[in-house]
This record gives sequence, C-alpha cells and structure tokens, in this order.
Amino acid sequence: DAGITQSPRYKITETGRQVTLMCHQTWSHSYMFWYRQDLGHGLRLIYYSAAADITDKGEVPDGYVVSRSKTENFPLTLESATRSQTSVYFCASRPPTGSYEQYFGPGTRLTVT
Amino acid sequence: QKEVEQNSGPLSVPEGAIASLNCTYSDRGSQSFFWYRQYSGKSPELIMFIYSNGDKEDGRFTAQLNKASQYVSLLIRDSQPSDSATYLCAVNIPTGRRALTFGSGTRLQVQP
Repeated sequence: DAGITQSPRYKITETGRQVTLMCHQTWSHSYMFWYRQDLGHGLRLIYYSAAADITDKGEVPDGYVVSRSKTENFPLTLESATRSQTSVYFCASRPPTGSYEQYFGPGTRLTVT
Repeated sequence: QKEVEQNSGPLSVPEGAIASLNCTYSDRGSQSFFWYRQYSGKSPELIMFIYSNGDKEDGRFTAQLNKASQYVSLLIRDSQPSDSATYLCAVNIPTGRRALTFGSGTRLQVQP
C-alpha cells in the first residue's frame, strides 16, 4: 500500500546506545521531515530533507544524525541516546511544489532508560 | 512569544454543539495554515487547510483566517464524541525551511 511507514513502532534502549529509526514513503515525495513530540512542546522539527542527499537542521537537531541516499528513505540516528531523547518520533513527507501539506507516518515511541 | 500559539484546553462541549478552536501566529509573512487532528496514541491527520482570508468549509468543519489579526480558527459543527482529540494548528513560517511550525494543540472533549 502507498503511504509512509516507520519502524520500529516501539523501542526501548539504554543510555549511550546508538539507535536508528527508519522512515519509508512510497509517494515519491521529495520533502521528508523528522519531528519529535513531547508533552508541553508539541511537534518540534529535528531535521528535514528537500531531496536525496540534501538535508538540513531543524529546531532541535543536537544528538541526531540523518541521511538520505534514496528518495523513499529517511533514517534518523541517535548516536548516543540520552534520557532526554525519550519521545515519540514522527516522520512526515510532502511533495515538492504547491501546498505545504505534510503527511505523517504512524510514529515511533522511543524510551531511553 | 511562541511562533504558533494555541490554548491547551481541554475544551469541553456537549454533543451537537459547535466547538471553536483558536490559533494565533507571530510571522505576518505566513501564507499557509493547516489544522491537524490527533487522536491519543496516533499520528496527526490533516483535516483542513486555508490560504486566503475568510472562511473555508468542508462538511462539519470550517476554517477561518484573518491575516490582519494573525488569527486562524477551526469550527466543528454538530460535535460528536468521535471528534474528541487534540487539534494542532500548523503554519508555514517563511524561514527558508520547507516545514510547518506547529502549535502545542488544543484538546477537545465532546461530552455525550
């Protein structure tokens, strides 16, 4: 089915471990985004990508790394997880032109112990 | 001042009533405005967007935009218990990033 998927849906990891969250979309949207959602802060942009091999920082990029070698995939890596990175992570995408409408994946709930 | 502000609620309305959700934004250059609905434990779902001053209606939903007052609202007519969710206002802040800036959301409770 077309759409945007994220994996894993739930992850528990320990402080200091490296974790990669995956995002895959089948719409061939050029723009992709990573947000985190925390109580009291709403959705905050971590990184975004305008196309394959083009990425840029958002509002809260520290501690995160992204890559985009293929249009359809946009993985987010926590190089050394910290408790403050416990959150729900949403991937989103949108087409390159026209509206700014974004469409979200189902989310990954990450707990860092 | 936050770039996009919403009252966190909860906003409680009886079934069948009109629910009015409000949002203000700081950047006068913003051109596109969106309302997302988010059920507990789920991802945000786009329900309305508006670009021009005035009202835009879609079924039971009406989005209202007043750029002079930097104000956007969402009206839900004939509210149903299934409308109980958090409603997120999103705005394209023209910073060069092609991303939306979200408010913290308003939690709506529709009482049967």
